[in-house]
Amino acid sequence: DAKTTQPTSMDCAEGRAANLPCNHSTISGNEYVYWYRQIHSQGPQYIIHGLKNNETNEMASLIITEDRKSSTLILPHATLRDTAVYYCIGSTGNQFYFGTGTSLTVIP
Amino acid sequence: SQTIHQWPATLVQPVGSPLSLECTVEGTSNPNLYWYRQAAGRGLQLLFYSVGIGQISSEVPQNLSASRPQDRQFILSSKKLLLSDSGFYLCAWKRPISYNEQFFGPGTRLTVL
Repeated sequence: DAKTTQPTSMDCAEGRAANLPCNHSTISGNEYVYWYRQIHSQGPQYIIHGLKNNETNEMASLIITEDRKSSTLILPHATLRDTAVYYCIGSTGNQFYFGTGTSLTVIP
Repeated sequence: SQTIHQWPATLVQPVGSPLSLECTVEGTSNPNLYWYRQAAGRGLQLLFYSVGIGQISSEVPQNLSASRPQDRQFILSSKKLLLSDSGFYLCAWKRPISYNEQFFGPGTRLTVL
């Protein structure tokens, strides 16, 4: 599975868009990019995943570069409840290797 | 709808004691099942995964083992716990079709003293 690199931490003002970057330069052609988040002391929660095209759901948008070497998760209007650790994972869909993620703090 | 259960929710065990954590899934059949561990302040580490009854893949060699005696039951065990086994243990399931997301249980917080 692809190794991913994310910033350790980020802050975002409440109501603003949160843009979380992820580098996955070694991702292979059959690996999807998954995003999960983990609120303290809970299990991770699935957010979104994509292969090549940009994806959007009720939680977030995923922008994947054309060369698939990086992606950005966008939370369009961050709320205090979005404070969590966000994990970017490259996977074919069977095993998932979580790194240390990005700790996002939404500031009132 | 599908639900995933883990128990116990918290556990305090002495070093050298055995361990048995249980995970069950309801509302689906033939799920892929996973055990993860999260040490304090660290990311999630994949320990074991299973694609069917009796089929276990180990990701990290250690003093833990996993078993899948039934389709929707996944057990994590140890004969002798170490201090380093302390952590937050999470079970997860996904549909066997590729590219589907995983669904996580509430976790077991294990403290080894």
